[in-house]
Amino acid sequence: DAGVTQSPTHLIKTRGQQVTLRCSPKSGHDTVSWYQQALGQGPQFIFQYYEEEERQRGNFPDRFSGHQFPNYSSELNVNALLLGDSALYLCASSEVQGEKLFFGSGTQLSVL
Amino acid sequence: KQEVTQIPAALSVPEGENLVLNCSFTDSAIYNLQWFRQDPGKGLTSLLLIQSSQREQTSGRLNASLDKSSGRSTLYIAASQPGDSATYLCAPNSGGYQKVTFGTGTKLQVIP
Repeated sequence: DAGVTQSPTHLIKTRGQQVTLRCSPKSGHDTVSWYQQALGQGPQFIFQYYEEEERQRGNFPDRFSGHQFPNYSSELNVNALLLGDSALYLCASSEVQGEKLFFGSGTQLSVL
Repeated sequence: KQEVTQIPAALSVPEGENLVLNCSFTDSAIYNLQWFRQDPGKGLTSLLLIQSSQREQTSGRLNASLDKSSGRSTLYIAASQPGDSATYLCAPNSGGYQKVTFGTGTKLQVIP
């Protein structure tokens, strides 16, 4: 049984570009959350998707957007990249809202 | 706004020692609390989940306690091993939509 999978594992972009990160939840999970983790910090909640809708959002600008597909997979899009967007982006899924989170290995984004 | 503090920020111990990691949070109205470990540049691995109605959870050499009223949780690691070296993060969940807040973690090094 595959766990949470994320792609790509590493990505290098330049300022002003746009990026799309992808996540497939663990089998049987319908809720996907995205987190940003800067070096030396704990993960920061970006938003959560359930039933193809954004259900909750953290303190991130509108440049960060997402989508959930009918098969529960999800995308995170970041527009107009800034140097400060360089971070590890983590996707987490759960079977039921409010229960145990399972994380993917993350996508390391570097903005030059 | 939930704020999470983890003490100590870093810890270095010889193999075989028992140790305690501390986590405090400002909003005691939590749904549950999860402890994770993170290896450098990797995703998070769930260790233990404690529901708000529980006081304690155990898994092998790990024991986590929760005192919701005082906003505290501790992770106890018995007979530490070099393989336990990682960063340990606690994450209280403040809402049904799983708005999870992370601390900055405790970086543990177990010396053989």
